[in-house]
Amino acid sequence: QKEVEQDPGPLSVPEGAIVSLNCTYSNSAFQYFMWYRQYSRKGPELLMYTYSSGNKEDGRFTAQVDKSSKYISLFIRDSQPSDSATYLCAMSVRIQGAQKLVFGQGTRLTINP
Amino acid sequence: DTGVSQNPRHKITKRGQNVTFRCDPISEHNRLYWYRQTLGQGPEFLTYFQNEAQLEKSRLLSDRFSAERPKGSFSTLEIQRTEQGDSAMYLCASSPPGLAGATPTDTQYFGPGTRLTVL
Repeated sequence: QKEVEQDPGPLSVPEGAIVSLNCTYSNSAFQYFMWYRQYSRKGPELLMYTYSSGNKEDGRFTAQVDKSSKYISLFIRDSQPSDSATYLCAMSVRIQGAQKLVFGQGTRLTINP
Repeated sequence: DTGVSQNPRHKITKRGQNVTFRCDPISEHNRLYWYRQTLGQGPEFLTYFQNEAQLEKSRLLSDRFSAERPKGSFSTLEIQRTEQGDSAMYLCASSPPGLAGATPTDTQYFGPGTRLTVL
């Protein structure tokens, strides 16, 4: 069983819809919880991070963490075609002087105009 | 462009050949990471450098893989005797120095990756 599970999709929604992306995890040692966005043929870019249970909002994006259920979510409001990408959840484990990231499989999202 | 750069962007090689990739981190970032991403999967951690010291290596990093960061700036990843299973995107990331005595946020900035195809 993988430490981080993410539904690979693909997920296709109309423009303006609310999108919900989810991951579950099994390792209680994970410290930080992140969402990365990856466009085709590009490296991942950090969207949001949080380290505690609860919600964190940034513009149209809301990250939610429930440590008791080992479940994290990313909500995208008023989705735009430019949001079409692969979304990766990532969780961090402390290593010497840094954090090692453990990624989910990624969910491919398409926003249709 | 002041982001993480990787060269080459694409590499096609025959099985059994050696390949080397280069990563130039963001200036003044002392921490550098290598990840591997296969098609349809998320990136997997390979190894980590703090300055020139390689402090962490994944079990994924077999004896055929070696990474260096000789002067604490750019890094190279070499794969010897490539196999078809090595075909993947190799991603490099860097992060700035952390605060002494504190758990860093450790935002990792990724490069565009080197896509390796082994025939």
